[in-house]
Amino acid sequence: GENVEQHPSTLSVQEGDSAVIKCTYSDSASNYFPWYKQELGKGPQLIIDIRSNVGEKKDQRIAVTLNKTAKHFSLHITETQPEDSAVYFCAANGGSQGNLIFGKGTKLSVKP
Amino acid sequence: EPEVTQTPSHQVTQMGQEVILRCVPISNHLYFYWYRQILGQKVEFLVSFYNNEISEKSEIFDDQFSVERPDGSNFTLKIRSTKLEDSAMYFCASSRQGVDNEQFFGPGTRLTVL
Repeated sequence: GENVEQHPSTLSVQEGDSAVIKCTYSDSASNYFPWYKQELGKGPQLIIDIRSNVGEKKDQRIAVTLNKTAKHFSLHITETQPEDSAVYFCAANGGSQGNLIFGKGTKLSVKP
Repeated sequence: EPEVTQTPSHQVTQMGQEVILRCVPISNHLYFYWYRQILGQKVEFLVSFYNNEISEKSEIFDDQFSVERPDGSNFTLKIRSTKLEDSAMYFCASSRQGVDNEQFFGPGTRLTVL
């Protein structure tokens, strides 16, 4: 089955700097890769996703890139702000009904 | 904006007791999921549900677990005889389509088994 690895586990940046989180997946059949932001005590919130027919997608300060050949995808956050501080999870669809396989998460801290 | 809701927000139970966790998915969604997250760990898939039946389940989803959509709006997860290791956050999610469609998560139910 699908396996998703995520790095780094923790990331600390200064406000205004960029943050990059990387994930790899194992199943070449996966074709949907969402990113979720989870704040303390809350459920995962979908922030951006990418499908395998595109290589890059951008939404304001966040962007995601996908390299199907290498089976890796990355989240880029530019001009980070303290409210970006949270745990970020990458995921890939792993089953016939779309169940998601998650990475272990990255705790992002943005220091003012 | 429509959202997935879950009740209760926190459930405390004794080991061996049955619990039912409730979810109301987004109204026009057709695919429903349960995930769990043990404290400090990643989110893990439990089960997917479509067209009133289980589509897929993980190894975690053993005979102690069951799901039901009793009335066309609620989606429930039942744990028949809870164990200490069932303590976790349980998230319900729903999706309009399936395979490569956005999944929206509820706020979760924190289950504590004593």
